[in-house]
Amino acid sequence: QKEVEQDPGPLSVPEGAIVSLNCTYSNSAFQYFMWYRQYSRKGPELLMYTYSSGNKEDGRFTAQVDKSSKYISLFIRDSQPSDSATYLCAMASGGGTSYGKLTFGQGTILTVHP
Amino acid sequence: KAGVTQTPRYLIKTRGQQVTLSCSPISGHRSVSWYQQTPGQGLQFLFEYFSETQRNKGNFPGRFSGRQFSNSRSEMNVSTLELGDSALYLCASSLRGSTNEKLFFGSGTQLSVL
Repeated sequence: QKEVEQDPGPLSVPEGAIVSLNCTYSNSAFQYFMWYRQYSRKGPELLMYTYSSGNKEDGRFTAQVDKSSKYISLFIRDSQPSDSATYLCAMASGGGTSYGKLTFGQGTILTVHP
Repeated sequence: KAGVTQTPRYLIKTRGQQVTLSCSPISGHRSVSWYQQTPGQGLQFLFEYFSETQRNKGNFPGRFSGRQFSNSRSEMNVSTLELGDSALYLCASSLRGSTNEKLFFGSGTQLSVL
């Protein structure tokens, strides 16, 4: 079983829809939670970064972390065709043994059609 | 501020050859991490360097190695290439490599092994 599970989709929604992306994890040492967006032939771009449980909002994006359920979510409001990309959840534990190391989900391919 | 720069963007090699990939981190960033991305395994952590020292290593064979120079630029080497080494190799940088820091990725080097 992978440490981080993410539904690969693909997910196809109409423009303006609310998109919900989710990941579950098994390692209770994870403390830092991120969402990256990756366009084709590009590297991952950091979208959201949260520490521990709670919500964080940035424009059309909202990240939620529920450590008790080991579950994180990303919501995209008023989705646009330019949001079409692969969305990757990533997690990190604290401590010196984790230098530079993120554990990623498989990524969800999202298409927003006009 | 320039982002993380990786060269070359594309490489084609044959089995048994070796390859060297280069990464220049964001100015001021001293930690460089390397990741392998494949459709089957997703993004996997290779290793992390800080001040010319490898501090963290993922579960990859010894054919995968790296180094970091005094100006924080890093190189990654893969010897005796195998077909399964075909992947997008991504470099990421951060200030110190701590897990509470944000990691910024380059666009990657797409390696094809024939």
